[in-house]
Amino acid sequence: AQSVSQHNHHVILSEAASLELGCNYSYGGTVNLFWYVQYPGQHLQLLLKYFSGDPLVKGIKGFEAEFIKSKFSFNLRKPSVQWSDTAEYFCAVNSLPGYSSASKIIFGSGTRLSIRP
Amino acid sequence: DAGVTQSPTHLIKTRGQQVTLRCSPKSGHDTVSWYQQALGQGPQFIFQYYEEEERQRGNFPDRFSGHQFPNYSSELNVNALLLGDSALYLCASVSRGGGRPYEQYFGPGTRLTVT
Repeated sequence: AQSVSQHNHHVILSEAASLELGCNYSYGGTVNLFWYVQYPGQHLQLLLKYFSGDPLVKGIKGFEAEFIKSKFSFNLRKPSVQWSDTAEYFCAVNSLPGYSSASKIIFGSGTRLSIRP
Repeated sequence: DAGVTQSPTHLIKTRGQQVTLRCSPKSGHDTVSWYQQALGQGPQFIFQYYEEEERQRGNFPDRFSGHQFPNYSSELNVNALLLGDSALYLCASVSRGGGRPYEQYFGPGTRLTVT
């Protein structure tokens, strides 16, 4: 069965620090990969996505992620975090032949990011 | 263009009762999925509807059922509520047409509390 592992449950950083959140998935076929963010009291928003092509994808708010197929990883990075980045971050994957983007999304358990001002 | 909308926003029910949650997909979307997000966890897939039929189902009991209407909106029904059903219920929509990958859009969710 497909699964997604997020290694850090809670990360605490100071403003301007660099961020890297780990994500590994288990599935041997073609996958679509996502990072979602959930700010306090707000709904789930897509930060970035990988469907195909360049394995380094850039998203909103200065976030980027690199797909490394050989390591089944899709780590999220940001060079300099801000207090407003405080949120819950979810790595996710979906895969299904044909309408792959419409298939169920498997989420990781999330990483809570706290930024000290 | 409205995104995915869900109603109600919050709901409090008693154990054993039944509940119906509603979702309207983003304009142009024909596929609706439901997810359950327990506190401190990632969303878990319940089921997906397309062309008014359940197409995929996650590991949830038959107490969880759904429906999709001709206008693509959807309902999630939960019977015989348990305390453990307390969660944020998310609806996501996407279009299956076009042959290229699209992202799924999530609604704000319905917070269900079972007492």
